[in-house]
Amino acid sequence: GAVVSQHPSWVICKSGTSVKIECRSLDFQATTMFWYRQFPKQSLMLMATSNEGSKATYEQGVEKDKFLINHASLTLSTLTVTSAHPEDSSFYICSAGGIVSYNSPLHFGNGTRLTVT
Amino acid sequence: LAKTTQPISMDSYEGQEVNITCSHNNIATNDYITWYQQFPSQGPRFIIQGYKTKVTNEVASLFIPADRKSSTLSLPRVSLSDTAVYYCLVGLSGNTGKLIFGQGTTLQVKP
Repeated sequence: GAVVSQHPSWVICKSGTSVKIECRSLDFQATTMFWYRQFPKQSLMLMATSNEGSKATYEQGVEKDKFLINHASLTLSTLTVTSAHPEDSSFYICSAGGIVSYNSPLHFGNGTRLTVT
Repeated sequence: LAKTTQPISMDSYEGQEVNITCSHNNIATNDYITWYQQFPSQGPRFIIQGYKTKVTNEVASLFIPADRKSSTLSLPRVSLSDTAVYYCLVGLSGNTGKLIFGQGTTLQVKP
């Protein structure tokens, strides 16, 4: 149980275009989803927290107008990288917290590799 | 949010038991301790979670002393496929859990 699916697993786009990444909780309702970014040889960096039906909360230094997050349902959150540039190339990972119990661990998707050319 | 400190890297050999210790001096009363494993180009995979004393599952054990200021992940009889980065995190879990990752421990298992 507690499966989190990300799509696509990898994407290549041209500079200036926008890319949407989906994060779905397949077998539970995720009231909260988290988006992380990971550069090579580095740890995961939390970008934002999204709660179903409300605006996302961004971490300091993360541009909310560049990284648009939508959490329209209890099973889907999307991250849109707008006007992507090569420096946005990274590994993006989502995680989801459910209502199973207050101490249930977060489960992570398998990540999306974004390459901006 | 509690900060964690782990060794950056560890080496081991197949069949050995590996213990990775994590320090979290500022852990809060309601915080849980959770360990994740990450392979290259994959998302972190949940290994084990605990609050106090000892927790064991089919893949690992987690030892937490009474003061909860540290924890030790124990991997019995590691194999080459256990080569990965291991992250110790503390915080609330579930739908309120905002987890901040530290640098993690890169475990290299040698034949």
